[in-house]
Amino acid sequence: AQTVTQSQPEMSVQEAETVTLSCTYDTSESDYYLFWYKQPPSRQMILVIRQEAYKQQNATENRFSVNFQKAAKSFSLKISDSQLGDAAMYFCAYRSANGLGANSKLTFGKGITLSVRP
Amino acid sequence: GAGVSQSPSNKVTEKGKDVELRCDPISGHTALYWYRQSLGQGLEFLIYFQGNSAPDKSGLPSDRFSAERTGGSVSTLTIQRTQQEDSAVYLCASRFQGGAGAYNEQFFGPGTRLTVL
Repeated sequence: AQTVTQSQPEMSVQEAETVTLSCTYDTSESDYYLFWYKQPPSRQMILVIRQEAYKQQNATENRFSVNFQKAAKSFSLKISDSQLGDAAMYFCAYRSANGLGANSKLTFGKGITLSVRP
Repeated sequence: GAGVSQSPSNKVTEKGKDVELRCDPISGHTALYWYRQSLGQGLEFLIYFQGNSAPDKSGLPSDRFSAERTGGSVSTLTIQRTQQEDSAVYLCASRFQGGAGAYNEQFFGPGTRLTVL
């Protein structure tokens, strides 16, 4: 079974600064997807960024980028130019690429609460 | 278009009562998932539906939990004889089910916060 670990429960960043959120995972599969989701107080889970394991290039989405280290099974999220609206819980998640049936489910870490100081 | 909707938004119940939580997926999404988010925990998979096929119930924590999906659309999660440890946010997600190698995003509803007193 796959596991996702987020060891930092909370982080804080100054507005306009850069912050990195850490995530490690464990799997015996070679092909999979990794995700970062944002959950604001509204509880709505929002997909921030996705990484396909077969791609060596790190995914980027505007101010959000990842550092994907497949051999180390590490998947960190970097938020540049942090904004007050970035304050939320962030979850790292895993999905098998060969996701048929319930194998298409997401496996989540425990999340990290990010606060942004004005 | 409309996203995934869930009702009620919040539910407070007494220990031992039954509750029903509802999920309306995005139209055309044949795959539907229920997850549970307990305090301080990540999301835990509960059950998966694909169209009219038999659901995958491998994540249900006990036989007090059940779910159905009528007509391949709306889903109801039922918790019988609720316990305090059932207090959590219950999230529903839907997805367009493509082929085996296809990636299609899961879209989440806003969840139902269940509090068992």
